[in-house]
Amino acid sequence: DVKVTQSSRYLVKRTGEKVFLECVQDMDHENMFWYRQDPGLGLRLIYFSYDVKMKEKGDIPEGYSVSREKKERFSLILESASTNQTSMYLCASSRGQGWVGSGDSNTQYFGPGTRLTVL
Amino acid sequence: QKEVEQDPGPLSVPEGAIVSLNCTYSNSAFQYFMWYRQYSRKGPELLMYTYSSGNKEDGRFTAQVDKSSKYISLFIRDSQPSDSATYLCAMSEEDYKLSFGAGTTVTVRA
Repeated sequence: DVKVTQSSRYLVKRTGEKVFLECVQDMDHENMFWYRQDPGLGLRLIYFSYDVKMKEKGDIPEGYSVSREKKERFSLILESASTNQTSMYLCASSRGQGWVGSGDSNTQYFGPGTRLTVL
Repeated sequence: QKEVEQDPGPLSVPEGAIVSLNCTYSNSAFQYFMWYRQYSRKGPELLMYTYSSGNKEDGRFTAQVDKSSKYISLFIRDSQPSDSATYLCAMSEEDYKLSFGAGTTVTVRA
């Protein structure tokens, strides 16, 4: 079974703090993702990485950065946390290599989430 | 207007009933359609994956896609209390990016 783990289930930080959220997957997946999930808004993609040191902005990258130094680890960084970044943060990974004829190669597997509160 | 619309519910049904969930979308380029189940305080897990239009069945779950109407559905037959969760629809064009609905919360009463 694919396992995606996130460093913290619950986190409370103060406005202006630098926050690190860590994600690790154990299935040698190429793609890794960071989403935030808010009531009524669904999941929104923050950043995506398709290889070590490679990243692409998602729909809402402002206020966030990411780091992928090793294939299994993808970090989300809030440079200066603000109250509007209070949310559930979900990490996901997928095998990659495209959809066609590849079954579930783009199926995304999610971690348990980190509920971040910024005071 | 959101790209993917999903009624948030909540939906409450008695055990054994058929649960019907649906999403509408505006992007005609979507070709891949998924349903995820998310239990409370957990990450989403993939339930069903469908390519283009048509039906797909997996046990008690049936997914339907009608691209002409830009409408997808998930049916759960013989619902069980363990089916109580939030169900998210998601869809994609050719690439990695998924667009999600907001999720429908379902409670199956014993």
